[in-house]
Amino acid sequence: EAGVAQSPRYKIIEKRQSVAFWCNPISGHATLYWYQQILGQGPKLLIQFQNNGVVDDSQLPKDRFSAERLKGVDSTLKIQPAKLEDSAVYLCASSSGIGDTEAFFGQGTRLTVV
Amino acid sequence: KNEVEQSPQNLTAQEGEFITINCSYSVGISALHWLQQHPGGGIVSLFMLSSGKKKHGRLIATINIQEKHSSLHITASHPRDSAVYICAGRYGGATNKLIFGTGTLLAVQP
Repeated sequence: EAGVAQSPRYKIIEKRQSVAFWCNPISGHATLYWYQQILGQGPKLLIQFQNNGVVDDSQLPKDRFSAERLKGVDSTLKIQPAKLEDSAVYLCASSSGIGDTEAFFGQGTRLTVV
Repeated sequence: KNEVEQSPQNLTAQEGEFITINCSYSVGISALHWLQQHPGGGIVSLFMLSSGKKKHGRLIATINIQEKHSSLHITASHPRDSAVYICAGRYGGATNKLIFGTGTLLAVQP
């Protein structure tokens, strides 16, 4: 079974530029999560999708961050414009969403804003 | 109060030592995940438990749902166990929300 795929693995951009990350969850997984992990901290939930609907985006900085999961499968997370403090690893995870099931994680995208 | 709290933040052990990492969590969390993260960022799920105890090799995870506390134990620790260990709480019901602790950085010295 293929795991959660994320791309790119690494990205370096200048502040005020835009960037997009892509995530393809495990086939059939209804729940998809995006997390931001700043160096030395635990991952912070940015947004959670159930199929193509948003369950929780309370910690998503909506003035600059946006995410979509149009067909309920893969998802993109965009930052526009980026700030220095957005430098972090962006992790995508998925789970089947039914009962107490395991979550599976992608390798993450390491973003550096200079 | 954080929804998921872990301790200690940093842990250094000698090879062969028994290691314990603790996690306490809020009301509403129905299951606990223990995850391992190596340098480079990739996260591997070690355990998911909602009651009792699970064992895999030298790793043991326990949960006490009355006290809302979970522990991860590593027996006969080895330098290759060096990593960040994170507990994450999953809320029950329709939300399925998954909230992470801050992680424990473990260094096992030979």
